[in-house]
Amino acid sequence: DQQVKQNSPSLSVQEGRISILNCDYTNSMFDYFLWYKKYPAEGPTFLISISSIKDKNEDGRFTVFLNKSAKHLSLHIVPSQPGDSAVYFCAFRRGFGNEKLTFGTGTRLTIIP
Amino acid sequence: DGGITQSPKYLFRKEGQNVTLSCEQNLNHDAMYWYRQDPGQGLRLIYYSQIVNDFQKGDIAEGYSVSREKKESFPLTVTSAQKNPTAFYLCASSAGSPRSGSPLHFGNGTRLTVT
Repeated sequence: DQQVKQNSPSLSVQEGRISILNCDYTNSMFDYFLWYKKYPAEGPTFLISISSIKDKNEDGRFTVFLNKSAKHLSLHIVPSQPGDSAVYFCAFRRGFGNEKLTFGTGTRLTIIP
Repeated sequence: DGGITQSPKYLFRKEGQNVTLSCEQNLNHDAMYWYRQDPGQGLRLIYYSQIVNDFQKGDIAEGYSVSREKKESFPLTVTSAQKNPTAFYLCASSAGSPRSGSPLHFGNGTRLTVT
């Protein structure tokens, strides 16, 4: 039962342009949505999150958009920098009192100098 | 400097042997988690613990065991019953239940290879 899908396993973007990473989900009970970034042989690091009661959250170059009617989450990075090259995971929390995060399969982002 | 320490970074074992992966945190977090990462499958939850002396199974607990005798430590044992133990194992912690969406903090992982 795959509740979270990151349909693009990889993405290449020119430095300075916008990177857009996407996630689709099926579970309406998710209440918090998070993005993590992961370099090889390291643990994921938290980037940004959004509550289900919002549709946009911004932090510097990173903006997360939530479209609940379409069950779609996206992360925009602008401008893209070489250090942004990594694997990005979306993650979803199932609600108050439920501690588990469900992760997507990841998208490998490569920024081309 | 607070963080999560996983050791060792690389571990090799023969099939049929149990192996224990270490995870220690000095963030004073109540909750700790073990995830497994396989290529193309994202991160899957093995076990988690919200408080000392208590833990719950995650989505793929079969063939694994854990203990939580101290707040700082949450070791994971990969038993010989785990059919596909070769993977990258990640330990994480959070400041109690993430009721405000507070994120997990991850260690740098242990890559286990069983031959």
